[in-house]
Amino acid sequence: DSGVTQTPKHLITATGQRVTLRCSPRSGDLSVYWYQQSLDQGLQFLIQYYNGEERAKGNILERFSAQQFPDLHSELNLSSLELGDSALYFCASSGTGRGANVLTFGAGSRLTVL
Amino acid sequence: AQSVTQPDIHITVSEGASLELRCNYSYGATPYLFWYVQSPGQGLQLLLKYFSGDTLVQGIKGFEAEFKRSQSSFNLRKPSVHWSDAAEYFCAVVPPGGSYIPTFGRGTSLIVHP
Repeated sequence: DSGVTQTPKHLITATGQRVTLRCSPRSGDLSVYWYQQSLDQGLQFLIQYYNGEERAKGNILERFSAQQFPDLHSELNLSSLELGDSALYFCASSGTGRGANVLTFGAGSRLTVL
Repeated sequence: AQSVTQPDIHITVSEGASLELRCNYSYGATPYLFWYVQSPGQGLQLLLKYFSGDTLVQGIKGFEAEFKRSQSSFNLRKPSVHWSDAAEYFCAVVPPGGSYIPTFGRGTSLIVHP
């Protein structure tokens, strides 16, 4: 157990729908990162939050949004889903100082869009 | 363009044989360097990291990596592979300058034959 908790583990939905993925970071970590893993794109950075504030944005689609709450858990919202959004979505967290460079990953949420 | 490359998509070794997984990066200055491992159905786990200093880095599970500035490489090695080492291995870099956002290579899938 890495200490980073992601729910749900698996999710099957239809095109056009909206889903929310949840992440609880490791205790004490202030930063949360979201990555998308697919066979054709590899691991793609989506977005990072630090202590409730958006810190960096990567290849995140406009249909996707995220936030980090005061208790530091984070949610990734995916809307108007398309077949190509089927992927494994990882949340990771990190600490401060040199530890800010070291990510601890959750087990991922596998999204299947039919 | 800045990038990290893992030239080998798949590597097959026999149990007990030695292993070397390649990683090359293209950045103006030496980035922070990492190797992560992803077992089937799991998230990514940090094997080892290099920030500065001794260019030979020891990690968990008997892995080591050597940073070679002249070759812009950070290859992962293990002297004797175990069947449980079968997994996906990712090289990651954090560019110098404080963004803290790791960029991951496409990964190398390790297959271990008995």
